[in-house]
Amino acid sequence: EVQLVESGGGLAQPGGSLRLSCAASGFTFSNYWMSWVRRAPGKGLEWVANIEQGGSKIYYVDSVKGRFTISRDNAKNSLYLQMNSLRVEDSALYYCARWERSGSWFFDYWGQGTLVTVSS
Amino acid sequence: DIQMTQSPSSLSGSIGDRVTITCRASQSIGTHLNWYQQKPGSAPKLLIYAASSLQTGVPSRFSGSGSGTDFTVTISSLQPEDVATYYCQQTSSTPETFGQGTKVEI
Repeated sequence: EVQLVESGGGLAQPGGSLRLSCAASGFTFSNYWMSWVRRAPGKGLEWVANIEQGGSKIYYVDSVKGRFTISRDNAKNSLYLQMNSLRVEDSALYYCARWERSGSWFFDYWGQGTLVTVSS
Repeated sequence: DIQMTQSPSSLSGSIGDRVTITCRASQSIGTHLNWYQQKPGSAPKLLIYAASSLQTGVPSRFSGSGSGTDFTVTISSLQPEDVATYYCQQTSSTPETFGQGTKVEI
């Protein structure tokens, strides 16, 4: 059974940092692109970042470029999101998701999310 | 960036109703369109990928259609467990943008 379990969320001050983790199991982690997606309170879903299997291809939404870093450790079956220079508008539930392709790309498995709150 | 616009923003139906949600892309995306269902307190769940392919395990009352800029997801017979917010997502180009969501109620 595919499982994605996020951790690392919490309260941070504006300008602060947090590191999110996602522990993957039930599939060969190193074979898949992985992503972070967020949902701010009262808003819809927003894709944040993607990373390819080996970690050499990485993409970000413009609003987090230069502040967030996605990475992975295939030996530990883990995905990470280092979040620096946090802003109030980064407050959201952050989901780890598996990025699959069959004719088109899509997120086929999601974690339950970890909550990030940025407030002074 | 490609903008995705869903309509309606919310709808209320009766058990057994046929319900249709529309998603429009700001430019042609072929069939690179997915639909997700998110129930309160739960993670999003993939329903439809590549515009019309039903994800394994999703009930057959869900169907998707469309290409280019206009897409729909239809629930052929609305059930109580379908209460959720539905999102479309384009994956034709980065950033892979979502629609704003459609809340479905009974």
